[in-house]
Amino acid sequence: DGGITQSPKYLFRKEGQNVTLSCEQNLNHDAMYWYRQDPGQGLRLIYYSQIVNDFQKGDIAEGYSVSREKKESFPLTVTSAQKNPTAFYLCATGRWGFGYTFGSGTRLTVV
Amino acid sequence: AQSVTQLGSHVSVSEGALVLLRCNYSSSVPPYLFWYVQYPNQGLQLLLKYTTGATLVKGINGFEAEFKKSETSFHLTKPSAHMSDAAEYFCAVSDMDSNYQLIWGAGTKLIIKP
Repeated sequence: DGGITQSPKYLFRKEGQNVTLSCEQNLNHDAMYWYRQDPGQGLRLIYYSQIVNDFQKGDIAEGYSVSREKKESFPLTVTSAQKNPTAFYLCATGRWGFGYTFGSGTRLTVV
Repeated sequence: AQSVTQLGSHVSVSEGALVLLRCNYSSSVPPYLFWYVQYPNQGLQLLLKYTTGATLVKGINGFEAEFKKSETSFHLTKPSAHMSDAAEYFCAVSDMDSNYQLIWGAGTKLIIKP
């Protein structure tokens, strides 16, 4: 059954710590996206990748990093440079003209 | 550049009443248009989409939307609201100019009154 899997569902980060959010897909989609969602602010694009070994910054890339070493995987690292990382993070895959398929999200909280 | 405007961050309707969520877009080339729904603490789920062909598009859960080129609109409707429709709804547009990347509206939270 094809789909997109985000893990973990909940993640807690201490001050100054880097954490990595996982996103895996078996839909064979070329494009993958990371969004951040804060209450009342809709979806904000962090990074996206349209092909393996290539990725582009979105609107709010500062304090985040990604890699795309294989088609199925697009992990997001929230670095210590991100001063306000508490948010709901969504990963999505896309096919040209067909819209996106979303994962179920990771809720990151700073403790 | 493309943009999407959703009128009303919150819309409240009574159970059984008509649901109308408004979406206007700007695009200089033929657009693809989408509506997604998000329930609390979940990802977004595709409700319906318009790419080409029939301008009235039917989706899941009894929702439908009509593409009106002259009005640059893609409003979402449902004849009779159900309590389970309470969620946030996002409209999005993509076209060749955006390399088919989705441009999102800010979202509308639908509240159903018993």
